[in-house]
Amino acid sequence: DIQMTQSPSVLSASVGDRVTLNCKASQNINKYLNWYQQKLGEAPKLLIYNTNNLQTGIPSRFSGSGSGTDFTLTISSLQPEDFATYFCFQHNSWPLTFGSGTKLEIK
Amino acid sequence: EVKLVESGGGLLKPGGSLKLSCVASGFTFSNYWMHWVRQAPGKGLEWIGEIEYDGTETNYAPSIKDRFTISRDNAKNTLYLQMSSVRSEDTATYFCTTSLLAPEAYYFDYWGQGVMVTVSS
Repeated sequence: DIQMTQSPSVLSASVGDRVTLNCKASQNINKYLNWYQQKLGEAPKLLIYNTNNLQTGIPSRFSGSGSGTDFTLTISSLQPEDFATYFCFQHNSWPLTFGSGTKLEIK
Repeated sequence: EVKLVESGGGLLKPGGSLKLSCVASGFTFSNYWMHWVRQAPGKGLEWIGEIEYDGTETNYAPSIKDRFTISRDNAKNTLYLQMSSVRSEDTATYFCTTSLLAPEAYYFDYWGQGVMVTVSS
């Protein structure tokens, strides 16, 4: 199985900050990496698919990059509604696997 | 409006069985692969399986393979998850999800609200 490792597990930041969340795959997953945002008690929301494609309706302050095994999600200027948990997800090979998440907290 | 609504959750004992349902509306259900994803309390997400358009192909995560079965009834726009031989580690919120962005892709752009399953003696 492909293991997805996210870092940091918790990130404290302030409104207006630029933040970078990391996701590392245990083997090459090409471009097949998505990012989801989840708020407490809600279903996950798709932000980015296939590394760098912004889902419709998602603000342009979110962006994704990477390839192979190393990927990043960047939020250019944090807004109050961005404080949530973020999960990466690989769909290169079965079983499909999620990372353990990065919780973005208000500093 | 696209909707996915799960039901059937509850409390059951280890070794028991339960069948979850996910009713879809707002899109042509039979044109899309469907998936189940679960989340243990306070934990991360786990993809547990998928079913293709007409139900002839399914794929499962190793953690539930041979214990859970995914099926669908396209006439009823309903996805199912039959859970058997459950264990305490199956305690989780179960979500159904799909990718309307592309029928065969794994984008998961629509999700249900989730249904809670608790396994406890």
